[in-house]
Amino acid sequence: DVKVTQSSRYLVKRTGEKVFLECVQDMDHENMFWYRQDPGLGLRLIYFSYDVKMKEKGDIPEGYSVSREKKERFSLILESASTNQTSMYLCASRSGGVYNEQFFGPGTRLTVL
Amino acid sequence: QKEVEQDPGPLSVPEGAIVSLNCTYSNSAFQYFMWYRQYSRKGPELLMYTYSSGNKEDGRFTAQVDKSSKYISLFIRDSQPSDSATYLCAMSGGGSNYKLTFGKGTLLTVNP
Repeated sequence: DVKVTQSSRYLVKRTGEKVFLECVQDMDHENMFWYRQDPGLGLRLIYFSYDVKMKEKGDIPEGYSVSREKKERFSLILESASTNQTSMYLCASRSGGVYNEQFFGPGTRLTVL
Repeated sequence: QKEVEQDPGPLSVPEGAIVSLNCTYSNSAFQYFMWYRQYSRKGPELLMYTYSSGNKEDGRFTAQVDKSSKYISLFIRDSQPSDSATYLCAMSGGGSNYKLTFGKGTLLTVNP
């Protein structure tokens, strides 16, 4: 079974702090994704990576950056956290090629005070 | 018009009922269709995956795609309280298009 893990289930940070969210997948997947999920807005894509060191902006990249130094690990960085970044953050991975399904991690509930 | 429309519910049914969940979409390039189930405070888990038009059955779950009407459905037979969750439809164009477009989800409660 595909396993996608995220470093924290719950996180509380203060405005202006630098925040790192880590995601690891164990299935040698090519592609990895970061989403945020908010009530009434659904899932929105922040960034994705189609290969190591490759990244592409999603629909809402402002205020975020990402890093993918190794195939299994994809990090989301909030350079200076703000209260409007309080959300559920979900990481996903996809094997690539003809397979389009994405497999999600358990999510990180981030609260910025 | 939004690319994917999904009735948010909430939908409440008695145990044993047949449940029908639906999404409509506007992008005729979509070829791959998925249904995810998301329990409260958890990540979405892939439930069903179909390519192009037709039906796919897996136990109590049936996914149906009608590309001519741009309409997809998920049927749950003999619904159980453990089916209570939010159901998200998702779709993509395939090939080099990695992105999934999600519906906003339908909250389902199955009452014992």
